[in-house]
Amino acid sequence: DTEVTQTPKHLVMGMTNKKSLKCEQHMGHRAMYWYKQKAKKPPELMFVYSYEKLSINESVPSRFSPECPNSSLLNLHLHALQPEDSALYLCASSQDEQVQETQYFGPGTRLLVL
Amino acid sequence: RKEVEQDPGPFNVPEGATVAFNCTYSNSASQSFFWYRQDCRKEPKLLMSVYSSGNEDGRFTAQLNRASQYISLLIRDSKLSDSATYLCVVKRWRVTFGTGTKLQVIP
Repeated sequence: DTEVTQTPKHLVMGMTNKKSLKCEQHMGHRAMYWYKQKAKKPPELMFVYSYEKLSINESVPSRFSPECPNSSLLNLHLHALQPEDSALYLCASSQDEQVQETQYFGPGTRLLVL
Repeated sequence: RKEVEQDPGPFNVPEGATVAFNCTYSNSASQSFFWYRQDCRKEPKLLMSVYSSGNEDGRFTAQLNRASQYISLLIRDSKLSDSATYLCVVKRWRVTFGTGTKLQVIP
């Protein structure tokens, strides 16, 4: 089973709202990732969690707040977003952060900020 | 120079044709290489890892040329279902995606 699940599939929010994106994997992977993908662009790394600790933050604005409650779950809390934050948010996981490990992606949450 | 570069295409090829894409990378210390495919409005899915000796999976062949710092993907006997964007991924201690090459296989 190489499945990574994400909820919700679609999200529309106003600039004053607070919402959360959720990601789950049951492959025993110890590294989890958040990416942002704009139309016709490649995914851009936002955060990496390794063994439930934040190991990489790619200078992401504080209106995005990641959380890793346990080794299977990864959340992305959203607050006071801007319209330019509208994008596809992809979660991925891999066995660990070792360079040769393959990342498996979830289906993504398509976010629209009004 | 971008860290990972791909020709964006689109490559329009007839069914049954052979098509090849290249992906160049700038960091000679890069250690792992992958090809992903991404269908419209879907997530990237791993197509194959790329090994130093080259590797083949059915109609797909991937090659790595460390001296010239590029990886390639060859698709033989193209199918309509091969239409997608092909993303190369280069990894040293973090993942870097290429911009993707769009392939359209035409009946």
